Amino acid sequence: EDKVVQSPLSLVVHEGDTVTLNCSYEVTNFRSLLWYKQEKKAPTFLFMLTSSGIEKKSGRLSSILDKKELSSILNITATQTGDSAIYLCASSPTSGTYKYIFGTGTRLKVLA
Amino acid sequence: GAVVSQHPSRVICKSGTSVKIECRSLDFQATTMFWYRQFPKQSLMLMATSNEGSKATYEQGVEKDKFLINHASLTLSTLTVTSAHPEDSSFYICSVLDTSRGNEKLFFGSGTQLSVL
Repeated sequence: EDKVVQSPLSLVVHEGDTVTLNCSYEVTNFRSLLWYKQEKKAPTFLFMLTSSGIEKKSGRLSSILDKKELSSILNITATQTGDSAIYLCASSPTSGTYKYIFGTGTRLKVLA
Repeated sequence: GAVVSQHPSRVICKSGTSVKIECRSLDFQATTMFWYRQFPKQSLMLMATSNEGSKATYEQGVEKDKFLINHASLTLSTLTVTSAHPEDSSFYICSVLDTSRGNEKLFFGSGTQLSVL
């Protein structure tokens, strides 16, 4: 059964801390992995990863894929209260379709 | 990226009534849209893939007669929850798939919180 698992489920840190969120996937015919941030309602796109070992970076956020370990990490440095959100990763399990399976999410709370 | 509008944002209805939720792609012609359901503190569960001009593809365990999906144009998909019951209360969210420029991204609507009394 295709599945995506994220850890930790929740995390509380203080402003300025660095956090690492994990995403493991078991899908057939892996094509890509997506990271999203969900603050209130609509998830917003962060990264799309397809190749192993290539880091994607956007400001204080970065992400990398490890196809050997079937996993990805999302790093956030110098966290701010505005980073508080649910972080979702999703993987595409089937070639020829574009449906994505989402992980359970990591709920991050950054305290001032 | 694609701009997706979902309406209504919140609906409260009586048990037994039907509710229609609209998902519009405002600046992008969407051949494929997805409908998800999200329970509190849980992840997005894919319900169905909506394909323009053809029947939707439902995920296992999702009743197609209960959750009617219509994707009549490249900018609009609708989800109708028929004969809603309290257990259908949930957050429903749609997404548009953008595969242009070699990318593959999902852009989400703002979701609909359905409460069935």
